[in-house]
Amino acid sequence: SQQGEEDPQALSIQEGENATMNCSYKTSINNLQWYRQNSGRGLVHLILIRSNEREKHSGRLRVTLDTSKKSSSLLITASRAADTASYFCATVGGSARQLTFGSGTQLTVLP
Amino acid sequence: DAGVIQSPRHEVTEMGQEVTLRCKPISGHDYLFWYRQTMMRGLELLIYFNNNVPIDDSGMPEDRFSAKMPNASFSTLKIQPSEPRDSAVYFCASRTSGGKTYNEQFFGPGTRLTVL
Repeated sequence: SQQGEEDPQALSIQEGENATMNCSYKTSINNLQWYRQNSGRGLVHLILIRSNEREKHSGRLRVTLDTSKKSSSLLITASRAADTASYFCATVGGSARQLTFGSGTQLTVLP
Repeated sequence: DAGVIQSPRHEVTEMGQEVTLRCKPISGHDYLFWYRQTMMRGLELLIYFNNNVPIDDSGMPEDRFSAKMPNASFSTLKIQPSEPRDSAVYFCASRTSGGKTYNEQFFGPGTRLTVL
């Protein structure tokens, strides 16, 4: 079953704008990860933030984590048409570091 | 490395038939996961293996589903008999328990299953 919800479910922006996606979860976590899924493809790992971290950057990606609110956000700056994809947050728990995915945000970046 | 390999990429079958999905994890990865993705339920973990041993199959929906991992380089997910509600995209993923990427799962391209 899904750990939580992502918001918004769909987001459409113009190239060059920033895109922000939010994720809420329910249980305690070891870390939280964001994945991207292009249409008809498998998921690709983007970035990981540990439970004791509050913010992390990787290229045009910025992730924040608020464990008190059980929420995370993914910011993509200066978006490109190639960023068009579905983005999923995944919480990690358990001894095998199992992933529990959110419902995903469909991002469309218009050229 | 070729990444996680899944076959077939597409499968169309009739209700009642047996379906076998195949996965080859990344060499050296000791965890293997099977997921199912549908519009209604999103991404669900079905079962995972560690060192070829099934650890948690609580996500397997029914006894019609079974999974095996006879060796470190091969796993199968079998549905027998298949039903239309099994139609989904099935993903296999693997990860290592050590090294810099041990938290990251690597996904295959998926098998799109349609049961008529």
